[in-house]
Amino acid sequence: GAVVSQHPSWVICKSGTSVKIECRSLDFQATTMFWYRQFPKQSLMLMATSNEGSKATYEQGVEKDKFLINHASLTLSTLTVTSAHPEDSSFYICSARDPRTGGYSNQPQHFGDGTRLSIL
Amino acid sequence: DAKTTQPPSMDCAEGRAANLPCNHSTISGNEYVYWYRQIHSQGPQYIIHGLKNNETNEMASLIITEDRKSSTLILPHATLRDTAVYYCIVRGAGNMLTFGGGTRLMVKP
Repeated sequence: GAVVSQHPSWVICKSGTSVKIECRSLDFQATTMFWYRQFPKQSLMLMATSNEGSKATYEQGVEKDKFLINHASLTLSTLTVTSAHPEDSSFYICSARDPRTGGYSNQPQHFGDGTRLSIL
Repeated sequence: DAKTTQPPSMDCAEGRAANLPCNHSTISGNEYVYWYRQIHSQGPQYIIHGLKNNETNEMASLIITEDRKSSTLILPHATLRDTAVYYCIVRGAGNMLTFGGGTRLMVKP
């Protein structure tokens, strides 16, 4: 089945540090990947849509200069949290649509296991 | 995309069928019903999806009413490992999945 891998799974760092999170589709090519954020006891919130070879599309309220997204290949998207502060501490999850199954509107997204980011 | 309504929590006895309801009364003709679940501290796991016909796979069955305004996810023999938050999501031609509050299913021995 489709596998999406995220790395690292856990990051603890000091305030002001920039942190990069990787999202890879292991057995399929993904022209589009998605980045979500989840705070404790809340649901997932879409942050941005990552498009291979073009600029990411950010949801309202998400700072594009704060959360840099790069989708340089069909199997890798990265999210960099720049100058992270304690309020950026959260569970970051990526997903990718599997193009091998179904038509365009009928393709399930598969999720990575998430990255827990803690900023001290 | 259409909004969904799910009960916030449900209990189920181990070995029994778990029936999780979802209302999506504003669903439009080209929108699919997707089900995901999230076990604590993990990313969501895809379960099943459908348009208007009932669907079954190795994990679950999806029953969609004829008017498509509601659906039920059925886990035929729930185990303790099925304890999770289950999300019912209606998705159209766009890629985005919009997660609501989901149903917290607790499978008890």
